[in-house]
Amino acid sequence: AAGVIQSPRHLIKEKRETATLKCYPIPRHDTVYWYQQGPGQDPQFLISFYEKMQSDKGSIPDRFSAQQFSDYHSELNMSSLELGDSALYFCASSLGRESYEQYFGPGTRLTVT
Amino acid sequence: KNQVEQSPQSLIILEGKNCTLQCNYTVSPFSNLRWYKQDTGRGPVSLTIMTFSENTKSNGRYTATLDADTKQSSLHITASQLSDSASYICVVSAANAGNMLTFGGGTRLMVKP
Repeated sequence: AAGVIQSPRHLIKEKRETATLKCYPIPRHDTVYWYQQGPGQDPQFLISFYEKMQSDKGSIPDRFSAQQFSDYHSELNMSSLELGDSALYFCASSLGRESYEQYFGPGTRLTVT
Repeated sequence: KNQVEQSPQSLIILEGKNCTLQCNYTVSPFSNLRWYKQDTGRGPVSLTIMTFSENTKSNGRYTATLDADTKQSSLHITASQLSDSASYICVVSAANAGNMLTFGGGTRLMVKP
């Protein structure tokens, strides 16, 4: 069965650069969530989208922005990268905003040097 | 504040043995509780999901219990295998939070031969 796809899987950037992470939800899923997991830390909810509109907002820095496109894929744009942004970024998708089940992607490992 | 606490933080068991992981939560109003297995550097994989009315759910060698009155859940792993070595994360969803999740800190399980 098709799963959540994230690209790239690994990304290395320097401080103050920008990065764009992509998430392709499971087909027919209309809701996308972004999480950030620092080394040894719990995943932290960043932001979610339902039907191409921002649904909920968590601890997403102002330097980050995200959007969901007409084909339901989502992109997380990160600017002015800091060393502390190094983390695993997970995307999850679900069918419906109030769905119980979120399916996680494999994650993008971002390293900021 | 919504919180999820897991114990123990880490656990080492011998292959073939059983173990039980604990999760206590203060998320309110409660919607559902999930147990995820997360291999290092990978996305979390759902093991079980339980709503308020469910108190036991099994998935192969994994059995989760939920006591909504005491706000406690456990994950029991039977006949452990080396591939069970991973972090097990308890995640609780609040009913009024647009399906945002509160993650526990996880239990790091290591199964030794």
